[in-house]
Order: sequence, then C-alpha cells, then structure tokens
Amino acid sequence: IAGITQAPTSQILAAGRRMTLRCTQDMRHNAMYWYRQDLGLGLRLIHYSNTAGTTGKGEVPDGYSVSRANTDDFPLTLASAVPSQTSVYFCASSPGGASTEAFFGQGTRLTVV
Amino acid sequence: QKEVEQNSGPLSVPEGAIASLNCTYSDRGSQSFFWYRQYSGKSPELIMSIYSNGDKEDGRFTAQLNKASQYVSLLIRDSQPSDSATYLCAVNTPMHSGYALNFGKGTSLLVTP
Repeated sequence: IAGITQAPTSQILAAGRRMTLRCTQDMRHNAMYWYRQDLGLGLRLIHYSNTAGTTGKGEVPDGYSVSRANTDDFPLTLASAVPSQTSVYFCASSPGGASTEAFFGQGTRLTVV
Repeated sequence: QKEVEQNSGPLSVPEGAIASLNCTYSDRGSQSFFWYRQYSGKSPELIMSIYSNGDKEDGRFTAQLNKASQYVSLLIRDSQPSDSATYLCAVNTPMHSGYALNFGKGTSLLVTP
C-alpha cells in the first residue's frame, strides 16, 4: 500500500541520547516535512525538503537536523535529546508546489525522560 | 510567522445538524487552503482542498473561501457521531525554497447522538 511509513511508532529516550526518527515514502513525492504536535500548540514545522538534496528550516528547528539523500527517505535526528522534545512527530510528503496537499505518516510518539 | 487562527472549541452539535468550522489567515498572498480531520491518537487526514473564492462541495462537506476577508470555513451537513474529531485548517505558505503547510491549532468537534 502506497504511503508514508514512520519508525519507531513510539520511543522512550533518556535525556542526552541521540535518536533518529525514520520516514520513508513510496509515492515519489518531491517534498517532505517533519512536524511536531503538542497539546495546545498544534502542528509546528521543524524542517522541510523541497527536493532530494535540499533541506530548509521551519518554525522550530533548534535541536533537530535532517538530511535528504534520496527522494524516498527523510530522517530526523535529535543530536542530544531534552525533555522539551517530548512530542508526537509527524512526517508528511507532497508532490510539491503551491497547490499540492500533504499526506501524513502515522506518527512517532517520543518521550524524553 | 504567518498566522492561521481557529477557535479551539469544543464545538458541540447534535446529530443531523450542520457543523460550521471557521479559520482566518494572515498572509494575503496565500493561494491554497486545506482542511484536515484528526481523530484522537491518529494522524491528520486530508478531507478538503480549496483554491478559488466561493464554495466547493464534496459529499457532506463544503469548503468556503473568501480571500478578500482572508477567511476559510468548513461546513459539515447531517453531522454524525463519527465526525467527532479535531479539524485542522492549513494554508500553503511559501518558504525559502518551496512551500509548506502552516496549520491552525484545530477545532474540536463533538457530535452528540
């Protein structure tokens, strides 16, 4: 089934540890995104990639890094996790452009303790 | 940061009634608008997109756009308990390279039997 796959679905992580959230899409979409969702704050963009080989910062990029080595994969790395990074993380993709909608993965629930 | 505003709710409507969800946005240059539905613990699911002023109907859903007033709304006719969810308004926003969806914080809808 075509779509977006995120891994892991949930994780408890000790503060200070490094963690990579994985995201893979098989729709050949050009653009990919990482959002975090927190109660009362809604969905906030962390990083995005317009096409393979390029990335950009969103609203809340600090403490996170991304790479886009190919069209299908867009991993999100927390170099040294802090409790404020406890959140639900959603990866999304879209064909790209001004008029295209985004489709979401199932999310990763991350707890930093 | 361009703003997308929604009433958080909860909006409570009886089964069979019309639910009206509203959203305003600050970027007058925005061209593409989307409504997503999110059930508790699930990822956002696209239900409507609208690009031109006026109404767009799809089954029980009608999206309305007024660019002069910077206002977009979603009407749900014959509301069902299964419509109970959080509805997210999203506006496609130009980034340094490409576009990304900027989300409102969502309106919680409760349809009571």
